[in-house]
Amino acid sequence: AQKITQTQPGMFVQEKEAVTLDCTYDTSDPSYGLFWYKQPSSGEMIFLIYQGSYDQQNATEGRYSLNFQKARKSANLVISASQLGDSAMYFCAMRYLRGGGADGLTFGKGTHLIIQP
Amino acid sequence: NAGVTQTPKFQVLKTGQSMTLQCAQDMNHEYMSWYRQDPGMGLRLIHYSVGAGITDQGEVPNGYNVSRSTTEDFPLRLLSAAPSQTSVYFCASSYQLGSYEQYFGPGTRLTVT
Repeated sequence: AQKITQTQPGMFVQEKEAVTLDCTYDTSDPSYGLFWYKQPSSGEMIFLIYQGSYDQQNATEGRYSLNFQKARKSANLVISASQLGDSAMYFCAMRYLRGGGADGLTFGKGTHLIIQP
Repeated sequence: NAGVTQTPKFQVLKTGQSMTLQCAQDMNHEYMSWYRQDPGMGLRLIHYSVGAGITDQGEVPNGYNVSRSTTEDFPLRLLSAAPSQTSVYFCASSYQLGSYEQYFGPGTRLTVT
């Protein structure tokens, strides 16, 4: 069974600093995708970034990048130049790609990020 | 496009009552799923569907039924509500299996007393 671990329940960061949110995963399947979602206080789930297990390059989307270390089974999210609007819960998730990933996403428990002015 | 819509936004039930949470998407997505989110937890998969007429169980299916008669709609039925089903429920969809982005609805906050 797949498992996602996020070891930082909460983080306080000064505005404009870079932030790294940790995520480790456990799977024996070689074909999987890793995701990060943001959940602001309003409650919706916002997709941020995706990394496939066979992707050679680390994924980037604007201020978000994913530090993918396959041998260590880690997929940390890096937010550059944090902004007050980045304050939210952040969830790491994984999905098997075999069978098309029909069995859905497995989520970690999340990290509550608070950006301070 | 409205994306993924869910109704109601909030609901309070008494133990033993039944109800249906509605989910609809207008993006012609084949894959739809239901998750629940409990305090301090990530989301957990309840049921999913890979197309009209096809459904299957996720991680926590007990106490819930689903059906998929059309591509657009994927309702979640609580047969006999229990306090343990107090949660926030999210519906999600994606274009097809293997698509990496799932689009989430705004959620339904359910309280069972």
